Amino acid sequence: NAGVTQTPKFRILKIGQSMTLQCTQDMNHNYMYWYRQDPGMGLKLIYYSVGAGITDKGEVPNGYNVSRSTTEDFPLRLELAAPSQTSVYFCASSQQGAIGQPQHFGDGTRLSIL
Amino acid sequence: KQEVTQIPAALSVPEGENLVLNCSFTDSAIYNLQWFRQDPGKGLTSLLLIQSSQREQTSGRLNASLDKSSGRSTLYIAASQPGDSATYLCAVTQGGSEKLVFGKGTKLTVNP
Repeated sequence: NAGVTQTPKFRILKIGQSMTLQCTQDMNHNYMYWYRQDPGMGLKLIYYSVGAGITDKGEVPNGYNVSRSTTEDFPLRLELAAPSQTSVYFCASSQQGAIGQPQHFGDGTRLSIL
Repeated sequence: KQEVTQIPAALSVPEGENLVLNCSFTDSAIYNLQWFRQDPGKGLTSLLLIQSSQREQTSGRLNASLDKSSGRSTLYIAASQPGDSATYLCAVTQGGSEKLVFGKGTKLTVNP
């Protein structure tokens, strides 16, 4: 009963380093999302995908890249880490998109950039 | 630009009390509204989703109402329990968009 799995759970990066946050779902959902949550704030959408090979920008895409080569996986890449990207990152998925059904969330990746 | 506000930011109640959490949004042209629960160090769990054509949804001790014209939603929790302690977030979806706009949440503490 895995649902949405995110790795790693915690990571500390130095300014300028790059890394990929992994997200996998086993529910055969078409829609997948990446959000960031800053302390005391709501979630903001970074990127989303409506199916393999299709991605689109959300509200705060700058500094991030995504790809969707399979239905299951939706990795998020940070190319040049900056302190402003310190946040908790959540991946989510749904079958019919935001207008249809609730999203299922992973437990998040806590990222600190020093 | 859609903005979602949740009041209060924090709420502490004794066990057994009925309580109401509030959510307001500035643009009434929404497709649906969701209430989520977030436990410390965890992701979000969807509690209730109300389509714009609906007035309320119920699940167990939870009841969510939606008044789209006034831009308001409430989450009613009956007979609160310590296990209900968490942060509750509401989010709205605009028509034709995949973007959920979230409020900052209400942190609920239910004291035994």
